[in-house]
Amino acid sequence: AQSVSQHNHHVILSEAASLELGCNYSYGGTVNLFWYVQYPGQHLQLLLKYFSGDPLVKGIKGFEAEFIKSKFSFNLRKPSVQWSDTAEYFCAGPPPEGNAGNMLTFGGGTRLMVKP
Amino acid sequence: DAGVIQSPRHEVTEMGQEVTLRCKPISGHDYLFWYRQTMMRGLELLIYFNNNVPIDDSGMPEDRFSAKMPNASFSTLKIQPSEPRDSAVYFCASKRLGARTEAFFGQGTRLTVV
Repeated sequence: AQSVSQHNHHVILSEAASLELGCNYSYGGTVNLFWYVQYPGQHLQLLLKYFSGDPLVKGIKGFEAEFIKSKFSFNLRKPSVQWSDTAEYFCAGPPPEGNAGNMLTFGGGTRLMVKP
Repeated sequence: DAGVIQSPRHEVTEMGQEVTLRCKPISGHDYLFWYRQTMMRGLELLIYFNNNVPIDDSGMPEDRFSAKMPNASFSTLKIQPSEPRDSAVYFCASKRLGARTEAFFGQGTRLTVV
């Protein structure tokens, strides 16, 4: 069983549109969730992370994510996307069986294309 | 710190040849991970090490794949013999101990087996 899942595989938006990418997690207990971004031809980079506290997390480049415990969700948002946001976005968390949180499993990724 | 360093960045080899991918993690990090990324299967964890010891290699696809970490600053992923279906981008990542620490990724090695 996958611990994190992303249901949107491909998203196409025009510049200035608002973005929301879905991520759902399927485990209980301590929640440690991450969003990574992979620009074309590059490696994964951390956008933001959530462990506890304020469920609205601010990240780099104007991204934010909201942890909603009742929905087991950690969706990524950006009010106004730019062409340079074209990339693949990955949600990540610990595996279902747990291992003290030192291993990360990744969702299937969402490819975002922003049209200029 | 220069980040996680992988070499080579690109590798093209013929089927049946041995391929060795290399990784230098960030100094002081306790964990090292090898991932494989393909269009079909996404990002898959192959194996990870804690303090140079392999902890979980259940993601290694076959006996043709092996990984070592002889010391805290170096790891290799070897494929012998290589096959065309091994073509992928292989990422190495490292992190500090703790559930709240993020993993840092290298630039990846794009492997093409012809």
